[in-house]
Amino acid sequence: GAVVSQHPSRVICKSGTSVKIECRSLDFQATTMFWYRQFPKQSLMLMATSNEGSKATYEQGVEKDKFLINHASLTLSTLTVTSAHPEDSSFYICSARDLQKLAGTRTGELFFGEGSRLTVL
Amino acid sequence: EDKVVQSPLSLVVHEGDTVTLNCSYEVTNFRSLLWYKQEKKAPTFLFMLTSSGIEKKSGRLSSILDKKELFSILNITATQTGDSAIYLCAVEAHSGNTPLVFGKGTRLSVIA
Repeated sequence: GAVVSQHPSRVICKSGTSVKIECRSLDFQATTMFWYRQFPKQSLMLMATSNEGSKATYEQGVEKDKFLINHASLTLSTLTVTSAHPEDSSFYICSARDLQKLAGTRTGELFFGEGSRLTVL
Repeated sequence: EDKVVQSPLSLVVHEGDTVTLNCSYEVTNFRSLLWYKQEKKAPTFLFMLTSSGIEKKSGRLSSILDKKELFSILNITATQTGDSAIYLCAVEAHSGNTPLVFGKGTRLSVIA
């Protein structure tokens, strides 16, 4: 079945550095991908919606200059955490929907990547 | 604003017990409600519910939706330690390609 692959699964970086997280749809095209963030013992919160070929749309309170999203192709979206600080340490998960399954049905299945655990020292 | 409220937030039970997890929601143009199980990494899909009153079942897990009262329950019978996880409820609004709105989850701990 369709799979979303996310990389890296775990990253530790120093404060002030930038970290890039990749999200790929492996056997389907995703014009839209969703990026979530999950702090310890909390739920998944939508950060932004990544749109292929256009700007991402960010949820209220999410800094677009800090969390750079690039969706350059139909199978790849990247999230770059710029100038990371310890408070950015979190679990980041991407998700995408197989729109071929969506067409003609009420909902298409939404697939999640494996998640990326970021620790900023 | 779309909202999903889960209860209880945490629960500790003994193996063999039956548990019921609750999820209530407020969403414009409801499409579906989904249940996920999350252990250490990304959530894994359990159920998608779109119609009221139709129970979905998978092994010891079952779920049902009430669209009139705007809630869903997830039942787990004969719990095992491997059921220990966070159970997330999410709703999907509108049609087309929209994100899920998640509740805070219920942290279930099953002790031997």
